[in-house]
Amino acid sequence: DIQVTQSPSSVSASVGDRVTITCRASQGLSSYLAWYQQKPGKAPKLLIHVASNLQSGVPSRFSGSGSGTDFTLTISSLQPEDFATYYCQQANSFPLTFGGGTKVEIK
Amino acid sequence: QLQLQESGPGLVKSSETLSLTCTVSGGSISDSSYHWGWIRQPPGKDLEWIGNIYFTGHADYNPSLKSRIAVSVDMSQNQFSLKLTSVTAADTAVYYCVRYSRSSGWFEPWGQGTLVTVSS
Repeated sequence: DIQVTQSPSSVSASVGDRVTITCRASQGLSSYLAWYQQKPGKAPKLLIHVASNLQSGVPSRFSGSGSGTDFTLTISSLQPEDFATYYCQQANSFPLTFGGGTKVEIK
Repeated sequence: QLQLQESGPGLVKSSETLSLTCTVSGGSISDSSYHWGWIRQPPGKDLEWIGNIYFTGHADYNPSLKSRIAVSVDMSQNQFSLKLTSVTAADTAVYYCVRYSRSSGWFEPWGQGTLVTVSS
Protein backbone atom coordinates (compact mmCIF):
# COMPACT_ATOMS: atom_id res chain seq x y z
CA ASP A 1 0.00 0.00 0.00
CA ILE A 2 1.10 3.57 -0.62
CA GLN A 3 1.45 5.50 2.63
CA VAL A 4 0.79 9.23 2.65
CA THR A 5 2.20 11.27 5.49
CA GLN A 6 0.97 14.77 6.21
CA SER A 7 2.79 17.44 8.14
CA PRO A 8 2.30 19.17 10.39
CA SER A 9 -0.45 17.30 12.21
CA SER A 10 -1.72 20.62 13.50
CA VAL A 11 -0.96 24.29 12.96
CA SER A 12 -2.06 27.40 14.81
CA ALA A 13 -2.49 30.43 12.61
CA SER A 14 -4.18 33.81 12.50
CA VAL A 15 -6.62 35.25 9.98
CA GLY A 16 -4.61 36.54 7.05
CA ASP A 17 -1.70 34.15 7.55
CA ARG A 18 -0.25 32.00 4.79
CA VAL A 19 -0.53 28.32 5.68
CA THR A 20 1.30 25.47 3.99
CA ILE A 21 0.54 21.78 4.50
CA THR A 22 2.68 19.04 3.00
CA CYS A 23 1.92 15.48 1.99
CA ARG A 24 4.66 12.94 1.29
CA ALA A 25 3.96 9.61 -0.38
CA SER A 26 5.93 6.40 0.11
CA GLN A 27 5.94 5.87 -3.66
CA GLY A 28 5.57 8.15 -6.66
CA LEU A 29 2.01 9.26 -7.40
CA SER A 30 2.60 11.11 -10.65
CA SER A 31 0.04 13.85 -10.00
CA TYR A 32 -2.75 11.69 -8.60
CA LEU A 33 -3.23 13.50 -5.33
CA ALA A 34 -6.30 15.30 -3.99
CA TRP A 35 -6.88 17.59 -1.02
CA TYR A 36 -10.03 17.80 1.11
CA GLN A 37 -11.32 20.11 3.84
CA GLN A 38 -13.40 18.71 6.69
CA LYS A 39 -15.23 20.73 9.32
CA PRO A 40 -16.48 19.16 12.56
CA GLY A 41 -19.54 16.97 12.05
CA LYS A 42 -19.44 17.42 8.28
CA ALA A 43 -18.34 15.36 5.31
CA PRO A 44 -15.06 16.22 3.64
CA LYS A 45 -15.15 18.60 0.69
CA LEU A 46 -12.89 18.36 -2.35
CA LEU A 47 -10.57 21.34 -2.75
CA ILE A 48 -7.84 20.30 -5.18
CA HIS A 49 -7.50 17.37 -7.55
CA VAL A 50 -4.68 16.03 -9.69
CA ALA A 51 -2.26 17.90 -7.42
CA SER A 52 -2.99 21.44 -8.60
CA ASN A 53 -6.45 21.66 -10.12
CA LEU A 54 -8.83 23.85 -8.12
CA GLN A 55 -12.27 22.28 -7.76
CA SER A 56 -15.09 24.42 -9.10
CA GLY A 57 -16.42 26.83 -6.50
CA VAL A 58 -13.36 26.65 -4.24
CA PRO A 59 -11.82 30.06 -3.43
CA SER A 60 -8.62 30.93 -5.27
CA ARG A 61 -6.71 31.40 -2.00
CA PHE A 62 -6.37 27.61 -2.02
CA SER A 63 -3.68 26.17 -4.26
CA GLY A 64 -1.88 22.87 -4.67
CA SER A 65 1.47 21.92 -6.10
CA GLY A 66 3.86 19.03 -6.41
CA SER A 67 4.32 15.75 -8.21
CA GLY A 68 5.95 12.41 -7.58
CA THR A 69 6.21 12.01 -3.82
CA ASP A 70 5.99 15.55 -2.43
CA PHE A 71 2.92 17.75 -2.52
CA THR A 72 1.79 20.99 -0.93
CA LEU A 73 -1.52 22.65 -0.13
CA THR A 74 -1.27 26.39 0.42
CA ILE A 75 -3.87 28.77 1.81
CA SER A 76 -2.58 32.19 0.79
CA SER A 77 -4.58 34.27 3.29
CA LEU A 78 -6.38 32.32 5.97
CA GLN A 79 -10.02 33.22 6.44
CA PRO A 80 -12.24 32.44 9.47
CA GLU A 81 -14.12 29.77 7.52
CA ASP A 82 -10.85 27.95 6.73
CA PHE A 83 -10.32 26.64 10.24
CA ALA A 84 -10.81 22.93 9.68
CA THR A 85 -8.94 19.66 9.16
CA TYR A 86 -7.30 19.03 5.81
CA TYR A 87 -6.59 15.63 4.28
CA CYS A 88 -4.60 14.51 1.27
CA GLN A 89 -5.56 11.38 -0.68
CA GLN A 90 -3.53 9.40 -3.21
CA ALA A 91 -5.18 7.87 -6.26
CA ASN A 92 -2.16 6.44 -8.04
CA SER A 93 -2.97 2.88 -7.04
CA PHE A 94 -5.36 0.76 -5.02
CA PRO A 95 -5.96 0.73 -2.15
CA LEU A 96 -6.73 4.43 -2.17
CA THR A 97 -5.29 5.98 0.97
CA PHE A 98 -5.59 9.20 2.94
CA GLY A 99 -3.11 11.15 4.97
CA GLY A 100 -3.53 11.52 8.71
CA GLY A 101 -4.93 15.03 8.51
CA THR A 102 -3.75 18.50 9.47
CA LYS A 103 -5.87 20.50 11.86
CA VAL A 104 -5.72 24.25 11.26
CA GLU A 105 -6.57 26.01 14.49
CA ILE A 106 -7.06 29.60 15.51
CA LYS A 107 -3.99 31.19 17.09
CA GLN B 1 -27.04 19.13 -8.38
CA LEU B 2 -25.89 15.62 -7.56
CA GLN B 3 -26.67 14.49 -4.02
CA LEU B 4 -25.94 11.26 -2.16
CA GLN B 5 -27.78 10.04 0.93
CA GLU B 6 -26.84 7.10 3.14
CA SER B 7 -29.48 5.01 4.88
CA GLY B 8 -29.42 2.00 7.16
CA PRO B 9 -29.35 0.93 10.81
CA GLY B 10 -27.35 3.05 13.20
CA LEU B 11 -26.74 0.15 15.55
CA VAL B 12 -25.45 -3.29 14.63
CA LYS B 13 -24.62 -6.14 16.97
CA SER B 14 -21.15 -7.57 17.07
CA SER B 15 -20.60 -10.50 14.65
CA GLU B 16 -23.60 -9.47 12.53
CA THR B 17 -23.72 -7.78 9.11
CA LEU B 18 -23.71 -4.04 8.55
CA SER B 19 -25.87 -3.03 5.58
CA LEU B 20 -26.04 0.48 4.14
CA THR B 21 -27.62 1.91 1.02
CA CYS B 22 -26.74 5.11 -0.83
CA THR B 23 -29.40 6.83 -2.90
CA VAL B 24 -28.16 9.03 -5.72
CA SER B 25 -30.31 11.97 -6.82
CA GLY B 26 -29.74 14.65 -9.43
CA GLY B 27 -27.73 12.30 -11.62
CA SER B 28 -27.55 8.75 -12.91
CA ILE B 29 -25.59 5.96 -11.31
CA SER B 30 -25.02 4.63 -14.83
CA ASP B 31 -22.95 7.71 -15.77
CA SER B 32 -19.96 6.06 -17.43
CA SER B 33 -17.57 8.74 -16.14
CA TYR B 34 -17.82 7.79 -12.50
CA HIS B 35 -17.58 5.02 -9.97
CA TRP B 36 -19.40 4.97 -6.63
CA GLY B 37 -17.76 4.31 -3.33
CA TRP B 38 -17.75 3.97 0.43
CA ILE B 39 -15.38 5.61 2.90
CA ARG B 40 -15.49 5.40 6.68
CA GLN B 41 -14.13 7.43 9.57
CA PRO B 42 -14.03 6.07 13.12
CA PRO B 43 -14.87 8.76 15.70
CA GLY B 44 -11.92 11.14 16.01
CA LYS B 45 -9.82 9.15 13.55
CA ASP B 46 -8.73 9.19 9.92
CA LEU B 47 -10.52 8.39 6.69
CA GLU B 48 -10.40 4.84 5.33
CA TRP B 49 -11.41 3.88 1.80
CA ILE B 50 -13.62 0.78 1.77
CA GLY B 51 -14.36 0.14 -1.89
CA ASN B 52 -15.78 1.40 -5.19
CA ILE B 53 -18.21 -0.01 -7.74
CA TYR B 54 -18.94 0.79 -11.39
CA PHE B 55 -22.44 0.54 -12.83
CA THR B 56 -21.41 -2.63 -14.66
CA GLY B 57 -20.84 -4.27 -11.29
CA HIS B 58 -17.04 -4.17 -11.37
CA ALA B 59 -15.78 -3.47 -7.85
CA ASP B 60 -12.48 -2.55 -6.25
CA TYR B 61 -12.05 -3.25 -2.55
CA ASN B 62 -9.59 -2.35 0.18
CA PRO B 63 -7.59 -5.55 0.77
CA SER B 64 -7.78 -4.97 4.52
CA LEU B 65 -11.55 -5.47 4.35
CA LYS B 66 -11.96 -7.50 1.18
CA SER B 67 -12.87 -10.77 2.87
CA ARG B 68 -15.79 -9.12 4.65
CA ILE B 69 -17.23 -6.60 2.20
CA ALA B 70 -19.53 -6.61 -0.78
CA VAL B 71 -20.62 -3.53 -2.73
CA SER B 72 -23.46 -3.77 -5.22
CA VAL B 73 -25.38 -1.44 -7.52
CA ASP B 74 -29.10 -1.24 -8.31
CA MET B 75 -29.59 0.88 -11.42
CA SER B 76 -33.38 0.60 -11.28
CA GLN B 77 -33.34 2.39 -7.92
CA ASN B 78 -30.29 4.59 -8.66
CA GLN B 79 -28.70 3.16 -5.52
CA PHE B 80 -25.62 1.30 -4.43
CA SER B 81 -25.10 -0.69 -1.27
CA LEU B 82 -22.47 -1.87 1.18
CA LYS B 83 -22.48 -5.06 3.23
CA LEU B 84 -19.81 -5.64 5.87
CA THR B 85 -19.95 -9.00 7.61
CA SER B 86 -18.74 -10.16 11.03
CA VAL B 87 -18.53 -6.64 12.45
CA THR B 88 -16.65 -5.78 15.63
CA ALA B 89 -16.30 -2.61 17.69
CA ALA B 90 -13.48 -1.60 15.34
CA ASP B 91 -16.08 -1.14 12.59
CA THR B 92 -17.84 1.62 14.52
CA ALA B 93 -17.52 4.66 12.29
CA VAL B 94 -19.24 7.31 10.24
CA TYR B 95 -19.82 5.76 6.83
CA TYR B 96 -19.86 8.04 3.79
CA CYS B 97 -21.00 7.22 0.28
CA VAL B 98 -19.21 9.10 -2.48
CA ARG B 99 -18.89 9.56 -6.20
CA TYR B 100 -15.41 8.71 -7.52
CA SER B 101 -13.72 9.96 -10.66
CA ARG B 102 -11.57 7.03 -11.75
CA SER B 103 -9.78 9.09 -14.41
CA SER B 104 -8.62 11.78 -11.98
CA GLY B 105 -8.87 10.01 -8.63
CA TRP B 106 -11.06 12.29 -6.57
CA PHE B 107 -14.15 11.83 -4.39
CA GLU B 108 -16.95 14.40 -4.72
CA PRO B 109 -19.66 14.86 -3.67
CA TRP B 110 -19.95 13.03 -0.38
CA GLY B 111 -23.10 11.99 1.41
CA GLN B 112 -23.66 13.56 4.81
CA GLY B 113 -22.46 10.38 6.49
CA THR B 114 -24.18 7.97 8.85
CA LEU B 115 -22.82 6.81 12.19
CA VAL B 116 -22.91 3.07 12.64
CA THR B 117 -22.19 1.78 16.13
CA VAL B 118 -21.33 -1.84 16.75
CA SER B 119 -22.60 -3.04 20.11
CA SER B 120 -21.62 -6.11 22.03
